[in-house]
Amino acid sequence: GIQVEQSPPDLILQEGANSTLRCNFSDSVNNLQWFHQNPWGQLINLFYIPSGTKQNGRLSATTVATERYSLLYISSSQTTDSGVYFCAGGSQGNLIFGKGTKLSVKP
Amino acid sequence: DGGITQSPKYLFRKEGQNVTLSCEQNLNHDAMYWYRQDPGQGLRLIYYSQIVNDFQKGDIAEGYSVSREKKESFPLTVTSAQKNPTAFYLCASGVLTNNEQFFGPGTRLTVL
Repeated sequence: GIQVEQSPPDLILQEGANSTLRCNFSDSVNNLQWFHQNPWGQLINLFYIPSGTKQNGRLSATTVATERYSLLYISSSQTTDSGVYFCAGGSQGNLIFGKGTKLSVKP
Repeated sequence: DGGITQSPKYLFRKEGQNVTLSCEQNLNHDAMYWYRQDPGQGLRLIYYSQIVNDFQKGDIAEGYSVSREKKESFPLTVTSAQKNPTAFYLCASGVLTNNEQFFGPGTRLTVL
């Protein structure tokens, strides 16, 4: 089955810094999502982005489907950005999740 | 107020008991899903359903059962056959046109 690899596994930033999170897929996917898991466990939808680039405020994402990777950019990070970021993708209506990137933003 | 609700938020059970987790959605989504999350890990698919009265096994279906009698509801039963049931369980629903999924708040199950 499809394997999803996320990097880095852990990231510590000072408030105001920028960061890039990466997600690699072992095979082609036709649906791809980025999520933020808050400290209470809730998964918040960030982007549905099987291809192309999208922006939402300080967050943006780019997926290069032909090369099977996606990037999540966080600019001017805030302490409220802390948590775990997951990417997930699939080809048959399901989602395969990576292990996540744990982000800690220090004041 | 639209969304996906899961109950209870926390659940404790004794070893050997079956327990049912509730998931309801009022988003008119055709598809519903159950995932399991263990500490420090991503989510793994247990079961999913794309239409009423039909469902498919995911990657880790052993020890679990589901039903889909109504479009809005997709309860998950954790049976005594599940060897390591302590985990965080997340329900999701989505549209079939693009398979985008939206998640409920989750249920934390602890087996004592």
